Amino acid sequence: DAGVIQSPRHEVTEMGQEVTLRCKPISGHNSLFWYRQTMMRGLELLIYFNNNVPIDDSGMPEDRFSAKMPNASFSTLKIQPSEPRDSAVYFCASSLRGTVETQYFGPGTRLLVL
Amino acid sequence: DAKTTQPTSMDCAEGRAANLPCNHSTISGNEYVYWYRQIHSQGPQYIIHGLKNNETNEMASLIITEDRKSSTLILPHATLRDTAVYYCIVRGRGGSNYKLTFGKGTLLTVNP
Repeated sequence: DAGVIQSPRHEVTEMGQEVTLRCKPISGHNSLFWYRQTMMRGLELLIYFNNNVPIDDSGMPEDRFSAKMPNASFSTLKIQPSEPRDSAVYFCASSLRGTVETQYFGPGTRLLVL
Repeated sequence: DAKTTQPTSMDCAEGRAANLPCNHSTISGNEYVYWYRQIHSQGPQYIIHGLKNNETNEMASLIITEDRKSSTLILPHATLRDTAVYYCIVRGRGGSNYKLTFGKGTLLTVNP
């Protein structure tokens, strides 16, 4: 089985540009998570979806960040406008049942905002 | 979620067992112990989890003390590819227990 798929794997953009990160969860999983990892703050949960519905977005840094899950097999994390402090590795994870089952992580998107 | 304490770093010789400790003295009765690892430039990888009994899978063994205040992850025959940051996470199940709180973990370096 394919694991969690993320694209792009690397993104370099200039401050002020819109950035869209994409995630395809493992087939059959109904929970999806977006995490961000930086040296300073480690791994942080940004948002959690269950059955395509956002359940907890308290980790989203500010209004510049938005996430959608239009269907069970696709999610996006958008940053508009991007800032240098958004530079980080963004991970998507999925699980069969978010509060119980194991979370499986994708390879991440390494974002650099110049 | 209960807080965990892990050593910052450990070394292990290739082919030997790697024993990674974790203290979670404030764990509550319905909280599980999870172990993940993160190899450089990769996403976190699930290893194993347990509640009170010792667990073993194809990757590792998890030994949880009887009082559940600490645990040890054992990689029986460490290889160079096991070099990674290992995270011990305590998490309840059900309700609002969807969040995995990653600490700083233990950097395990397997030496040839």
